[in-house]
Amino acid sequence: DTAVSQTPKYLVTQMGNDKSIKCEQNLGHDTMYWYKQDSKKFLKIMFSYNNKELIINETVPNRFSPKSPDKAHLNLHINSLELGDSAVYFCASSQDQGISGRDTDTQYFGPGTRLTVL
Amino acid sequence: AQKVTQAQTEISVVEKEDVTLDCVYETRDTTYYLFWYKQPPSGELVFLIRRNSFDEQNEISGRYSWNFQKSTSSFNFTITASQVVDSAVYFCALSEARTGFQKLVFGTGTRLLVSP
Repeated sequence: DTAVSQTPKYLVTQMGNDKSIKCEQNLGHDTMYWYKQDSKKFLKIMFSYNNKELIINETVPNRFSPKSPDKAHLNLHINSLELGDSAVYFCASSQDQGISGRDTDTQYFGPGTRLTVL
Repeated sequence: AQKVTQAQTEISVVEKEDVTLDCVYETRDTTYYLFWYKQPPSGELVFLIRRNSFDEQNEISGRYSWNFQKSTSSFNFTITASQVVDSAVYFCALSEARTGFQKLVFGTGTRLLVSP
């Protein structure tokens, strides 16, 4: 029973290519996120969507374009890949978008996608 | 601005030792939420605990315990009788209420190595 899943798990590609990472959650959550973990393990939020609408965009280059076809899916498309894009990308979801004061704002993460740009 | 500091980069212990992972946070908000996540060698991020700023009661879950002290802006995590399976990178994270949205700010993580 996978709660938050990502595909692919590993992605190796050349500079300049365009690639997509898919994320799906079966928890019935309303909000989904993308985080980037760099080589030093530092985790930083990139985007957040609530019911298919963008609510957080953390000054990510516009080569990164999230797309949410429905509230259970949040895909990440990256154009013109650069060496610096190499990282692990994590998708996450939570029941609520805001700070609810309840456990429904806890984020649950997918297994991550390791992207290597050569 | 919100910030989370995990000053311990790496800790090595021998199995059955107790170990405490430190987390110090900065926030201007009066309502905020603190989290701990575990990242084992397999790479996934596993949720461990969530704590509200208005609830300073310490929590124990099996061998895990958490000490939240607002006076020192700390949310420390103790593993009692550590086991090899506890080897992982542990992240402390903060989310502020005033932003209106869930936005986790993570510390840099502490790598825990438990040897047999």
